[in-house]
Amino acid sequence: KAGVTQTPRYLIKTRGQQVTLSCSPISGHRSVSWYQQTPGQGLQFLFEYFSETQRNKGNFPGRFSGRQFSNSRSEMNVSTLELGDSALYLCASSFGPSREQFFGPGTRLTVL
Amino acid sequence: QKEVEQDPGPLSVPEGAIVSLNCTYSNSAFQYFMWYRQYSRKGPELLMYTYSSGNKEDGRFTAQVDKSSKYISLFIRDSQPSDSATYLCAMWVGNQFYFGTGTSLTVIP
Repeated sequence: KAGVTQTPRYLIKTRGQQVTLSCSPISGHRSVSWYQQTPGQGLQFLFEYFSETQRNKGNFPGRFSGRQFSNSRSEMNVSTLELGDSALYLCASSFGPSREQFFGPGTRLTVL
Repeated sequence: QKEVEQDPGPLSVPEGAIVSLNCTYSNSAFQYFMWYRQYSRKGPELLMYTYSSGNKEDGRFTAQVDKSSKYISLFIRDSQPSDSATYLCAMWVGNQFYFGTGTSLTVIP
C-alpha cells in the first residue's frame, strides 16, 4: 500500500507571497491532519479534516487554511508568508479520528 | 506547562545497550499513546500504538504506559546504529494529538 505523499518536497518563497501544499493520504484513509514542525516548537497541530469537513483547528492565525477534497486529498494554504513560517509541514492520514496517524515525508518551506 | 513533556536529550549510548525514552503528561484524559521515530529530514514513522496501561512489545521495542503516574516509556533492546533518530511521543484526547518535542538518540557502533 502506498504511503502518504506530499508535494512539493521543498519550497522557497519570499515574505508576502502565498503557498499551497498538497497531501495525498493512504488509500482508504479519510482523516488528514496537518502539522508544523520547527526545532524550537516541535510538532504543532494546524488542523484536521475528515470527510471534507474541518473537525479541529490548532492555534494558528487565519493565514493558515486548508481543505479536503472528495477523494480525501488535502491542500494547505499559507497566505502573506512571514519569515517565521519557515518549517517542515507534515501531513498525516488515518482511517478515522483518534486512530493511529501515518505521516508523509513533509514539505520543507523556506521563507526568505 | 506543556501538555506533554519529553526530555530532548541528546542521548548517546553504545551499540547493544538498552535505551529508555520517557514522556510525562498532565491531562489524565489522554486515551491513546504512540511512539514515532523520525530520521533526519524525514517524516515521523509510527513505531508503537497503545490505548491501555501496561506493556506492549514489538520486536526490540516495548512501550509502557502508566496512567496512574501519567508516564509513558519506550524501551529499545539491543540498540543498533540504525536506531539513531529522534523519538517522539504522542497522545490523543478530544479531537487532536499532542506531541512531545522529541528525544534525539545516537547509538555508537
